[in-house]
Amino acid sequence: AQSVTQLDSQVPVFEEAPVELRCNYSSSVSVYLFWYVQYPNQGLQLLLKYLSGSTLVESINGFEAEFNKSQTSFHLRKPSVHISDTAEYFCAVSDRAGYQKVTFGTGTKLQVIP
Amino acid sequence: GAVVSQHPSRVICKSGTSVKIECRSLDFQATTMFWYRQFPKQSLMLMATSNEGSKATYEQGVEKDKFLINHASLTLSTLTVTSAHPEDSSFYICSALAGKSVEQYFGPGTRLTVT
Repeated sequence: AQSVTQLDSQVPVFEEAPVELRCNYSSSVSVYLFWYVQYPNQGLQLLLKYLSGSTLVESINGFEAEFNKSQTSFHLRKPSVHISDTAEYFCAVSDRAGYQKVTFGTGTKLQVIP
Repeated sequence: GAVVSQHPSRVICKSGTSVKIECRSLDFQATTMFWYRQFPKQSLMLMATSNEGSKATYEQGVEKDKFLINHASLTLSTLTVTSAHPEDSSFYICSALAGKSVEQYFGPGTRLTVT
């Protein structure tokens, strides 16, 4: 079984400042890793994913995450945030064999301050 | 990209009644669909996995007789909350897998309020 830890429940950051949302996972097998974003009263949207290959993955809106196997981490970063990035961010993991089942972290609320 | 819809987006029902939530994959065939429940300011909890044409697999602690799931076609899964009670009030989200994809596509969610 896998587990995901997002230590920060809320992260306030000023507009145009950099941000890092932390995610650590636990699994006894190889995994796929995901970051999802949820805006108020909406479903989840996939932000980026790590399946294989390059450990650094990027989204179209400037976010990136790096898979670090030795530290079992998949932290999400953005060099300069916008007001529109205010949302809840969920880190998720699934194992490569039973990939259908996804385990979510508890989420981090990113609050961008003007 | 793949689109998943849910209907209704919001529903208010009286205690003791049943309510049905639909989840549709609009532009792909979903061999597997999932139903999640999200409590305020919490993460998503998987309720059940639904495969087309077969019975749903429920997670531990989820009452299958209370949360009826039907995956009648490759584009539609329904969740029926039977004899709803106020504690069933929640945000219900479905997702779908397309073929052998490892990525789940999520619906916009349904806010259920039981009075």
